[in-house]
Amino acid sequence: KNQVEQSPQSLIILEGKNCTLQCNYTVSPFSNLRWYKQDTGRGPVSLTIMTFSENTKSNGRYTATLDADTKQSSLHITASQLSDSASYICVVSLYTGRRALTFGSGTRLQVQP
Amino acid sequence: NAGVTQTPKFQVLKTGQSMTLQCAQDMNHEYMSWYRQDPGMGLRLIHYSVGAGITDQGEVPNGYNVSRSTTEDFPLRLLSAAPSQTSVYFCASSYGRDAVGYTFGSGTRLTVV
Repeated sequence: KNQVEQSPQSLIILEGKNCTLQCNYTVSPFSNLRWYKQDTGRGPVSLTIMTFSENTKSNGRYTATLDADTKQSSLHITASQLSDSASYICVVSLYTGRRALTFGSGTRLQVQP
Repeated sequence: NAGVTQTPKFQVLKTGQSMTLQCAQDMNHEYMSWYRQDPGMGLRLIHYSVGAGITDQGEVPNGYNVSRSTTEDFPLRLLSAAPSQTSVYFCASSYGRDAVGYTFGSGTRLTVV
């Protein structure tokens, strides 16, 4: 069964600190991996997307890494801000098939002043 | 540019009632889909459409119907609401099933009592 597991489920950090969120997946065949940010009461918004040939992708203070061999990805947030408080969702795309996207359950990040 | 617009934002239904969740996009996207988001779970695909007149089932289609008469609109119908359908519903669109430009609406929070 294709699965996407994220850790930790929740995380509290102080403003200005860095943090790393983890994503392990068993989806196969793999097409691409995406990280989304979801603010409370809003829809997910794309942060990064990586194909199997890419190791890293940055979007401002967000840097995603991918190890397709171990089927692991991480999202690193640098110099956190209060506005980073949100859920971060890892999404893996199948190469073919009608169930194209498999979503992780997300990591809830809270940045405190 | 409105993106993906969902209405209503909130809805309370009684068991057995019917209703339609509306979704419209103004980006000329071919691919549209409906997801539900439940606590502690990743988004799950209900139905999707690859173009006007073409729809197909996702992971959790039971209890829901869809149609796609135009490129812009993709309504989701609940024929006889059940408490198990209490959830947050998201509509999403993109140029293709695996495209980078995957845009989500802001969601509809549905409670069935």
